[in-house]
Order: sequence, then C-alpha cells, then structure tokens
Amino acid sequence: EVQLLESGGGLVQFGGSLRLSCAASGFTFSSYAMSWVRQAPGKGLEWVSAISGSAGSTYYADSVKGRFTISRDNSKNTLYLQMNSLRAEDTAVYYCAKGGYSSSSVDWFDPWGQGTLVTVSS
Amino acid sequence: DIQMTQSPSSLSASVGDRVTITCRASQSISRSLNWYQQKPGKAPKVLIYVASSLQRGVPSRFSGSGSGTDFTLTISSLQPEDFATYYCQQSYSTPSTFGQGTKLQIK
Repeated sequence: EVQLLESGGGLVQFGGSLRLSCAASGFTFSSYAMSWVRQAPGKGLEWVSAISGSAGSTYYADSVKGRFTISRDNSKNTLYLQMNSLRAEDTAVYYCAKGGYSSSSVDWFDPWGQGTLVTVSS
Repeated sequence: DIQMTQSPSSLSASVGDRVTITCRASQSISRSLNWYQQKPGKAPKVLIYVASSLQRGVPSRFSGSGSGTDFTLTISSLQPEDFATYYCQQSYSTPSTFGQGTKLQIK
C-alpha cells in the first residue's frame, strides 16, 4: 500500500523558516515525480512545487519561487519542502502527493498524504 | 498560466440525481485534465485522470469526458457518500492549476 506521511508543520513567525518532510513507502520512490499542494483554511487547492524522480528538475508556483525549495532524498524515500521568508498567505495545510505516472513531469496526484498545517503569525 | 474555471461553484442535489460539473481551461490542454473529490478534513482523492480514465477503486457512476478546453465530470446516480467538494486540475503545463471547486450539497 502506498503511504505518504508529512511532518514538520507548526506555528512560525512572519519571515521565519520551516522544513516539511514527507516519508513515502509502498512504491519505488525514485520512479515518480512528487509534488506539494497546499490549501489555505476554507479555500481551494493550490499546487506549490514539484520535483522529478531523479531530482534533476524542479518546478515552482510563482507565489513561492525564490522562497521555497523542493528536494528529495531517494535513499531515504523522503520528500522535502524548505520554506523561507514565510508570509501570512502561506498559512495552509500542505499535502505531499505522488505523481500518477511520470517520473519527469507533473501529471495527476495519487495518493495524497494526510497533510500538515503551517500557520504563519505576525 | 492556464486558468481553470469550474461551474457551478455549488450545487444542491438529491440522492439518485444525475449531476454534471463543468471545467473550462483558458487554453487548450488536450486531455490533461484530472478530477478530485475532497471531503471535509480529508485529503483529496483522484477520481478521473487524463479526462476520462476511471481511477481504480472509484465507482463506475463517476465518469469524465472532454478535450481541448471543455471537460465534464458526471455522477450518474448520486449516493450519500458523494456529497463533497470536487476539483479539476490541469497537468498540461506547469504551473499545474486547479479549478476553484464545486461544493455538492444535499438538497
């Protein structure tokens, strides 16, 4: 069974940093692109970032470019999201999600982790 | 960026009804369109990928169609467990983008 377990969320001050982790199991981790998707309280879904299976390619939403860094450690089956210069609008539940098919590009997301809440306070 | 527009934003329906949700892309995305269901407090779950492929384990009352810019998700006969929020997502190009969601409520 494919499982994704996020950790690292919490309360952080405006301008601070946080690193999220997503531990994966049940599939060949390096064969799939992985993404982070977030959902602000009461709002819709926003794709944040993706990384290819080899970690050779990374992609970002304009809203986080230059502040967030996605990475992965295929030896540990773990995905990361380093978040710097956090703003109030970054407050959200952050989900990691496995790509549906491709190792190199974003396709559909299946499955998703349970999510981890990041709250940025001023 | 490709904008995804869902309609309606909310919908009230009864058990047994046939329901259709529409998703329109701001430019052609071929068939790179996926549908998700999200229940309160839970992570989204994929229902349909590549416009019309039913994800394994998803009931056959769910179906998807469309190509280019116009897509639909149809639930042929609503069941109590189908009341949720539905999102479309384009995976044609990055940034990947979602529709704003359609909240399906019990009438």
